[in-house]
Amino acid sequence: NAGVMQNPRHLVRRRGQEARLRCSPMKGHSHVYWYRQLPEEGLKFMVYLQKENIIDESGMPKERFSAEFPKEGPSILRIQQVVRGDSAAYFCASSPEIDYGYTFGSGTRLTVV
Amino acid sequence: KNEVEQSPQNLTAQEGEFITINCSYSVGISALHWLQQHPGGGIVSLFMLSSGKKKHGRLIATINIQEKHSSLHITASHPRDSAVYICAPASGADGLTFGKGTHLIIQP
Repeated sequence: NAGVMQNPRHLVRRRGQEARLRCSPMKGHSHVYWYRQLPEEGLKFMVYLQKENIIDESGMPKERFSAEFPKEGPSILRIQQVVRGDSAAYFCASSPEIDYGYTFGSGTRLTVV
Repeated sequence: KNEVEQSPQNLTAQEGEFITINCSYSVGISALHWLQQHPGGGIVSLFMLSSGKKKHGRLIATINIQEKHSSLHITASHPRDSAVYICAPASGADGLTFGKGTHLIIQP
């Protein structure tokens, strides 16, 4: 029973390009959460999704960022027209039900050059 | 919004010492997680607890729901325990709120 799988582990993008980060939750987990950790800062909530639905996106910047969790396949966090300030570690977690049993992925480290 | 305070922010200790990291939060919760993050590494969930005490190897976590306080203890600390320890209370639809972390260094 694999844990939460995130890929890629490291991603380098030039300013203006698009970044796509993938998260495959644990088997049986239908709740997915994305968090961002800026250099030298703590984790910050971005978005909470259930299958095919965004439940809470209050932590996600209104522009350039979007997230989805389709019926089939991994959850995707998409950042359009990346800027240097988007450089961070992005972590995904999943849980079998809300507010219970979070399991974290290893993160994707995005570097914008 | 849950305000989470961790102390100390930084802690350097000698191998073998008993370590305590404290976490206080402001809003009632359903459970609290203690997470571990090594430099450049992923996040590992050490404990999820909603009452009392849990023990795993040399790690012990306690929580007092009435006082809104939790502690993480490490007995017989070892250099490999060096990491950032993060307290994360969970409260229903608000999900997890994260403390800023305690940077622990255990010197041989």
